[in-house]
Amino acid sequence: QVQPVESGGGVIPPGGSLRLSCVDAVIGVRTYAVHWVRQAPGKGLEWVSLISDDGKKKFYADSVKGRFTISRDRSSDTIHLEMHSLTREDSAVYFCARSAYSNAYYYMDVWGKGTTVTVSS
Amino acid sequence: SYEPTQPPSVSVPPGQTARITCSGDVLAKKFAYWYQQKSGQAPLLVIYEDSKRPSGIPERFAGSNSGTVATLTISGAQVEDEADYFCFSTDIDDNHTGVFGGGTKLTV
Repeated sequence: QVQPVESGGGVIPPGGSLRLSCVDAVIGVRTYAVHWVRQAPGKGLEWVSLISDDGKKKFYADSVKGRFTISRDRSSDTIHLEMHSLTREDSAVYFCARSAYSNAYYYMDVWGKGTTVTVSS
Repeated sequence: SYEPTQPPSVSVPPGQTARITCSGDVLAKKFAYWYQQKSGQAPLLVIYEDSKRPSGIPERFAGSNSGTVATLTISGAQVEDEADYFCFSTDIDDNHTGVFGGGTKLTV
């Protein structure tokens, strides 16, 4: 399957901002909802955010609410995750995942390989 | 929000049945999904809506949900099934907010 491709990760000092991007070639064919999920080093998966297929509905985990903003640019089939006020606890691999939708549930179907964010001084 | 509970590790000899549980009251009302993550790789969906298997996933993978406990069963586990397994569900009040279990390391 064609995977989404994430970019934009890097090393950022505490308190800084970063924008991640996710390009999904399949999105141009049919518009999907998209999730961001992160994984801190040596830790489990943490769901971060979801944007609906039309970009009008956005949902966030409590841990990032008010600091992260998800958006989509239909002209470039790109999903963005704007991250502000970053702390060391935000250090993780950030995965973009195409969403499936069934029986009123959104769930991650096809995942990208991830981009690494390191918050460090 | 809550986090479903998974055992940290499960170990089985090759060819035996591995069972990984995911516990939480919300599972009585919500579907469970299971993801396999091999070292250094992105997660892979292996079970959705409690018991459905995506195309391409071997038949030895099966899921069930008894109400507050969802179970991933791998019948005749293979060495290549060794991985971390995460259950996923949604917030009890909101189908749009997701939550993962802590993950289970399966050793075969």
